[in-house]
Amino acid sequence: GDSVTQMEGPVTLSEEAFLTINCTYTATGYPSLFWYVQYPGEGLQLLLKATKADDKGSNKGFEATYRKETTSFHLEKGSVQVSDSAVYFCALSRGGNKLVFGAGTILRVKS
Amino acid sequence: GAVVSQHPSWVICKSGTSVKIECRSLDFQATTMFWYRQFPKQSLMLMATSNEGSKATYEQGVEKDKFLINHASLTLSTLTVTSAHPEDSSFYICSARDPSGSADTQYFGPGTRLTVL
Repeated sequence: GDSVTQMEGPVTLSEEAFLTINCTYTATGYPSLFWYVQYPGEGLQLLLKATKADDKGSNKGFEATYRKETTSFHLEKGSVQVSDSAVYFCALSRGGNKLVFGAGTILRVKS
Repeated sequence: GAVVSQHPSWVICKSGTSVKIECRSLDFQATTMFWYRQFPKQSLMLMATSNEGSKATYEQGVEKDKFLINHASLTLSTLTVTSAHPEDSSFYICSARDPSGSADTQYFGPGTRLTVL
């Protein structure tokens, strides 16, 4: 079945550091890929998405590129801020059906 | 943007009682809503898919008689945890799909923390 694997956290960075959170997936066909973010005490918010190979999703300085050849959708940001501290979830969906989530990665950014 | 609310945000109940959680889409009509369960420091696990006017589709391993889902209108779905026990304590999250938007995008509620004593 479909699955998503993302790097374990927590990831602890200093402010302005470069961020990478790895995400790989297993799915048949061509799923849509997503990154969701969950800030402390809040619900999940869609951060970015990509629907086909080589698409790049971007939002709030975050980027992720849909790599079909490596089945990956790594999340990157050039310079993190304290306000980026949250839990990040990689997810996939096929044909608008249910979302399959990775385990989530906690990001902590220190000032 | 699309907003989904949940009520209550937290609830504490005694073992054996039933608890109802509401999920509302505030500014759009949601023909499909989803219910997830999130354990501490773990990911979201889909419990069921709720379609307006029809029976919910439950994921394997989820007890239909224990987790009753009703989607009686285009803006409201409810999850009732019947005869709750301490192992049902969890964070329950709903999401909704906006039919006027992208088919693969879900909007999430803020979640409901259930504690069963």
